Parts: sequence; C-alpha cells; structure tokens
Amino acid sequence: GAGVSQSPRYKVAKRGQDVALRCDPISGHVSLFWYQQALGQGPEFLTYFQNEAQLDKSGLPSDRFFAERPEGSVSTLKIQRTQQEDSAVYLCASSLALSGSGNTIYFGEGSWLTVV
Amino acid sequence: GENVEQHPSTLSVQEGDSAVIKCTYSDSASNYFPWYKQELGKRPQLIIDIRSNVGEKKDQRIAVTLNKTAKHFSLHITETQPEDSAVYFCAASSNYNQGGKLIFGQGTELSVKP
Repeated sequence: GAGVSQSPRYKVAKRGQDVALRCDPISGHVSLFWYQQALGQGPEFLTYFQNEAQLDKSGLPSDRFFAERPEGSVSTLKIQRTQQEDSAVYLCASSLALSGSGNTIYFGEGSWLTVV
Repeated sequence: GENVEQHPSTLSVQEGDSAVIKCTYSDSASNYFPWYKQELGKRPQLIIDIRSNVGEKKDQRIAVTLNKTAKHFSLHITETQPEDSAVYFCAASSNYNQGGKLIFGQGTELSVKP
C-alpha cells in the first residue's frame, strides 16, 4: 500500500474489555514497530518485529499487552482487560531494512484508544 | 537505556523569525537522529535526519546540527511560516541489531503567529 495503515482509527473500550489493533505496514517492509503515545507526550517504544520474529518486547508495559506478526506482514497488538491508563494513541511504524539504524521509519495514523 | 531530553516544550515565534529546538541524548552509541513533525491528530512525519558521521545537514528552510562530543543535536527552522505550527519530536537510535528502534524526546509545540 501507499503507507502504513492502522485500524480501527478510534476505539472506545469499557474497562476490562479486550481490544485488538491492526497494522498493515508498507509492502515489503521487514521491520515493524509499535509505539504508545500518551496525550502531550512523545511516542514510547513497545515492541519490534523483524519479519515474523518478535526481537524486542522490552517496552510492553505489562503481560496484558501482546503483539504478533505471524506471516511477517500484518501485525496485531492485543490488550487484555483494558485499564484507564491504557488510553493512548497506538502508533505502528515500519521500515524497509532488515537491520541497522539509520533507516527511515514510517508511521501510521495511529489507533486512538479510550478506556472508560 | 537511552534517554532523550528535548527543550523547550513550547515555542512561539512571529512569522519570518527563526525557531530552534534542542535535544540531548544519553547513549554515546547513538548514531541516527531523525526529527518528526506531528500535526494534531496526524501521524509523525519525518522532516529531516542526520547520521553521526556528519555535523550538519540542511534542507531548504530546515537544518539540523549534531555535536557528538556534547551529545546534543538541534533543529533550526528559518523564515518560519504559519504552516510550520505543529509538535516537533527529536529521536535517537542506537540499537543496530534491533532495526534501529527510536527513542523520542518529549516534543516541542511550535506556534508561528502571522
């Protein structure tokens, strides 16, 4: 596709509900990242995939957060038993390179999650 | 781990003036420093980046400088226009084998008054 696509764009969840956020990276992009952006803050790293392998999940805030990319393209971020502090924009990003820094990372528009 | 500090948090300038945003980083292994512009409700968009083997890079009205010794880098916008108004984020990357994940600063809200 033309860019990183995320769905849903907006999600309101009741506290305790499970949510799933989808990311379609740019076609052919090997690296995929998930970031969490709270209101008025910079994006914070959650997890990184290289193809289907989850190589870094050090940023996931708790075991309620789970991410997968089973076929090395589309990724899903799942949040179980949502809590109010999970309210944020969840940004997906991708880059072409297999490894190495200095490769342009492209962001999606984000999924806005509000937990009530 | 890497930490990136960004200042100021808000910046207001008159149209035509220059704007400067500064960032410092903690990990001396950092080697890639992009700047993103984010308009309200929109995705962060890369506006310029610099690698550690150069000290300055310019693209029209935007320039970035890097001081590796002091571990700081700055964004300079000249001849500011109202459409430059947005939140700007600096970031640093040092993890070569992890796809180069970015660590972001806290953001600077730039307001350009016509």
